[in-house]
Amino acid sequence: AQSVSQHNHHVILSEAASLELGCNYSYGGTVNLFWYVQYPGQHLQLLLKYFSGDPLVKGIKGFEAEFIKSKFSFNLRKPSVQWSDTAEYFCAVTVAGSQGNLIFGKGTKLSVKP
Amino acid sequence: DTAVSQTPKYLVTQMGNDKSIKCEQNLGHDTMYWYKQDSKKFLKIMFSYNNKELIINETVPNRFSPKSPDKAHLNLHINSLELGDSAVYFCASSQIGTGFYEQYFGPGTRLTVT
Repeated sequence: AQSVSQHNHHVILSEAASLELGCNYSYGGTVNLFWYVQYPGQHLQLLLKYFSGDPLVKGIKGFEAEFIKSKFSFNLRKPSVQWSDTAEYFCAVTVAGSQGNLIFGKGTKLSVKP
Repeated sequence: DTAVSQTPKYLVTQMGNDKSIKCEQNLGHDTMYWYKQDSKKFLKIMFSYNNKELIINETVPNRFSPKSPDKAHLNLHINSLELGDSAVYFCASSQIGTGFYEQYFGPGTRLTVT
């Protein structure tokens, strides 16, 4: 079965530090990749997505992610985090032909200290 | 205008009761989903409907019954509630006919069973 692994359960950074959250998936076929963010007490919002083309995708709020097919990875990055980035981050995958079934990783909690 | 809305936002009830959660989307999407987010923030798909037809039905107790009266609505009815049903339930929608499975999430319904 397909699965998504997020390596970091909880990341604590100071403001202005750089961020990289790891995400790996297990599926050898065509995938669509997503990063969602969930701010405290709120619903999930799409940060960015990859369907095809340039493997470096830019999202909202200064986030970007790089798809490395050979490593089955889709890591999320931000050069300089802010206190307002404190949230839970979820990596998710859909597989071609799956009717859009999103498979989520277990999430990474990011805490940014002011 | 809210794209995906859910009611109620909070639901507190006793074991053994029957309850419903409603979801509506005004995005014109053809597919709607129910996800369960447990206390550890793990998100798992429960059901998916495409044009009012059930297309995904994960391993969910048959006490849970989704109903889609039309493309814009997907309700979740839960019979004989148990303590383990306590979670946040998210509705989502997408337009899978395009082949792109970007999903938009509702605000969630926090269900507490006592």
